[in-house]
Order: sequence, then structure tokens, then C-alpha cells
Amino acid sequence: QKEVEQDPGPLSVPEGAIVSLNCTYSNSAFQYFMWYRQYSRKGPELLMYTYSSGNKEDGRFTAQVDKSSKYISLFIRDSQPSDSATYLCAMTQNYGQNFVFGPGTRLSVLP
Amino acid sequence: DTEVTQTPKHLVMGMTNKKSLKCEQHMGHRAMYWYKQKAKKPPELMFVYSYEKLSINESVPSRFSPECPNSSLLNLHLHALQPEDSALYLCASSQSPLAGGPDTQYFGPGTRLTVL
Repeated sequence: QKEVEQDPGPLSVPEGAIVSLNCTYSNSAFQYFMWYRQYSRKGPELLMYTYSSGNKEDGRFTAQVDKSSKYISLFIRDSQPSDSATYLCAMTQNYGQNFVFGPGTRLSVLP
Repeated sequence: DTEVTQTPKHLVMGMTNKKSLKCEQHMGHRAMYWYKQKAKKPPELMFVYSYEKLSINESVPSRFSPECPNSSLLNLHLHALQPEDSALYLCASSQSPLAGGPDTQYFGPGTRLTVL
């Protein structure tokens, strides 16, 4: 079993749709959870990070963490073609230990 | 300023060449990283520097040689690479573990390396 799993997609949605991206993980020691967006041929860009369980909202993006289920989600409301990218979840234990990426989900938002 | 810069953007080199990749950040971060990313794969950690000292080497071949001249700069020296080393090389930085808080990493745009 991989430490972090993520549906690779590709996921295609129409413009304006609500997108749900998810990761599951096996290491209960993870406490910090991040979502990165990576456009083709570019470096990953940090979108959001959350600590422990709960929700965090930033504009059209909402991150959710459920540590009891070892499951994290990123929701994108009113999706735009410019949201088309690969979305990588990442997580780490305290103080920089064991930073791990998920394999990434490719998202296409169709105009 | 949350910018990490990398030069060059593109690099083509032969197997006998020696070249260097450069990375710079001015966020006061004390941890810097090199990653290698192949197409449609997540980044793979290569090296971690913490307070200018190499703290993690993920069993990377010696043809890759990292260097951290100061807290803002990170280099990756390349020598006798193989075609399979062609990839996007990403630099990242984060607060030092001693600062507490999440090890949130900020990435540069990468150097696309092609080895002929």
C-alpha cells in the first residue's frame, strides 16, 4: 500500500462545476496537509495548507481534513478553465519530517 | 515575497558535460530542497539542506552533487549524466524545522533538463 493515494484522473468537468479532489493516507502521524496546483511544465504552486482535522476556505477553494478516516479533500467551486492543472496533495509530520506527495490528479475544466 | 527562482529554465547537455543548476530564495527560509520530477509523476525528493548543511540524501547517484553556499542559494552540479536523468528539476524552500509550524514548501518553476 502506498503511503498516500490519489485518483490520477484525468478528471474532466464543465466550466462552473464543483470539483472534488481527494487523497487517502496510511500514516496516522501526518498532521499538516497541503494542496499544490501544478500547470504543465511548471513547478507546483501551494494552494492551501491545513493543520489536523477541519475545514479551511480560501475563495473558491475549500480544504477538508478528516484524520479519523485518513482522508483529505479539496473542493473547487465555480470551476474555471484556468483551474485545469494537476493537483497534488502533500502531507508531513511535525517539524519537517517525512514530507510526502500524492501522485496527483489531472483536472480539465472544459469551457 | 514567496518566490523561489531557478536558472536556467531549460538545459540540454551531453553525457560528458558538466553543468550546474541554480536556485535562490529570499524568504528567510533555512531549509532548501532538490526534487526530480518525471512526466505525469509527483516530485521525488533528492536532497535536503537545513541551515546550509546537507541533512537528507535520498540515495542519489554521485553524478548529482548539491551545494549550499549560503542560506539563500542552492546549487546542483551535474556531471556525466545519463539520458534517463532527463526530467524537471525543482527547487523548494521552507521554514526550518526549529521555527515550528508546517513544513510548507514553496517551489520554483523548475529547470527542464534534457541529456542527450
